Amino acid sequence: GDSVTQMEGPVTLSEEAFLTINCTYTATGYPSLFWYVQYPGEGLQLLLKATKADDKGSNKGFEATYRKETTSFHLEKGSVQVSDSAVYFCALVGSARQLTFGSGTQLTVLP
Amino acid sequence: SAVISQKPSRDICQRGTSLTIQCQVDSQVTMMFWYRQQPGQSLTLIATANQGSEATYESGFVIDKFPISRPNLTFSTLTVSNMSPEDSSIYLCSAGTYQETQYFGPGTRLLVL
Repeated sequence: GDSVTQMEGPVTLSEEAFLTINCTYTATGYPSLFWYVQYPGEGLQLLLKATKADDKGSNKGFEATYRKETTSFHLEKGSVQVSDSAVYFCALVGSARQLTFGSGTQLTVLP
Repeated sequence: SAVISQKPSRDICQRGTSLTIQCQVDSQVTMMFWYRQQPGQSLTLIATANQGSEATYESGFVIDKFPISRPNLTFSTLTVSNMSPEDSSIYLCSAGTYQETQYFGPGTRLLVL
C-alpha cells in the first residue's frame, strides 16, 4: 500500500540556517504530494503541493520538488525563522485515494 | 480553498460519557473526513463522511464507537461514544477531495479522565 517515510526528528536549527526535511514515498501510479504544517496548538495547514513529476511546490520561502526517479519530495528553506517552529508532515494521495501521512518532523528554530 | 471551523476547540470529559464534535465548512464541498491524532503521533483517518448516507469507516474504527452524521454539504458531526482515557486525542475534520487538496479544521483537543 501507499506509505510515506519522513526524516526522523526532532530537528533543531539556529535562525537563518538552511532547512532540509527528507521525505520519500511508496505508491503505485502518480500520487499527488503535499507538505502540511502544524503550529503549536493548531490544526494542519497546507504548506505546498505538487501533482506531477518535476513540479515544484513553493510557499512562504519553503520549496519541494516532486522527484519521481527517487520517489522523494524533500522540503527545503534557505533561511529559517523562529516562527517556522512547528511539526511538518509529508503526505500523499495515491491509488488508494486516501491522504496518507508521514510520521511528522518537529522543527525548533532557536534565536 | 475552504475555511473550516470546529466546535468545541477542547474538552475534558469523564470516562463513559460521549462527546459530539461539530465541523462547519464555509463552502459546499464534495468530501468531508474525520481524523484522529494521538499525542505526539501522525494523523489516522477515522472515516469519510458521506452526505445523505452512512459514513465509510477505516479499518479499526466502527460506527458504534464513532457515529458520524453529514446532513448537508457543509456540515458534519463526529461523536466519540462511551469514552475511555485511550480516546484522548486531537480530532480533526477536513474537507476537499481525494485527489485534490484537503483543508483541515483547527482540531478538537479531547482529554478523557
